[in-house]
Amino acid sequence: KAGVTQTPRYLIKTRGQQVTLSCSPISGHRSVSWYQQTPGQGLQFLFEYFSETQRNKGNFPGRFSGRQFSNSRSEMNVSTLELGDSALYLCASSLTGKNTEAFFGQGTRLTVV
Amino acid sequence: AQSVTQLGSHVSVSEGALVLLRCNYSSSVPPYLFWYVQYPNQGLQLLLKYTSAATLVKGINGFEAEFKKSETSFHLTKPSAHMSDAAEYFCAVSDPYSGGGADGLTFGKGTHLIIQP
Repeated sequence: KAGVTQTPRYLIKTRGQQVTLSCSPISGHRSVSWYQQTPGQGLQFLFEYFSETQRNKGNFPGRFSGRQFSNSRSEMNVSTLELGDSALYLCASSLTGKNTEAFFGQGTRLTVV
Repeated sequence: AQSVTQLGSHVSVSEGALVLLRCNYSSSVPPYLFWYVQYPNQGLQLLLKYTSAATLVKGINGFEAEFKKSETSFHLTKPSAHMSDAAEYFCAVSDPYSGGGADGLTFGKGTHLIIQP
């Protein structure tokens, strides 16, 4: 079966702009989580969506937001981009989130200049 | 609150030698523990997981890990390293009462495994 698909793979944006990243989970998976990966901070949990509702949230400012559609596809949005937002953003899907295996996408590499 | 400490940001071993990657965790409740591998420009792939069943967990690609509650450790081992094992390895913990899947995993900083020919 198809894996987790993240688009785009690479993105370059300017400070102050906003960006939207997309994640299509594995068919049948209803939970989608987002992580930010940077060399300095490592992997940090952003938020998790299940059945179109945000169920869990990490410690990130309100500039980071997300949503999930009825087909379980998810988007995350970052507004007023800062240089420090440059990172690899990873999406993970699982059947229900709780106690089910997470499958990660290849990520979107965001560079803010 | 949970945390994970991976000792050694870089580990170098010779091809055919034992691989040992160290992971210690802190959790206020019995945790679920995971090891993931990441190849360059790729996402994370689950190697193995501990979910309160057998303390010795076998994973893919010949890796295994042992949960030791008294030492709060979950070290990853492989008897004989292959060149293809060169990658970044992440240990992660979750609270089974609030997650355990993809929601709210806490990751270590990662260990870069280098295989010498």
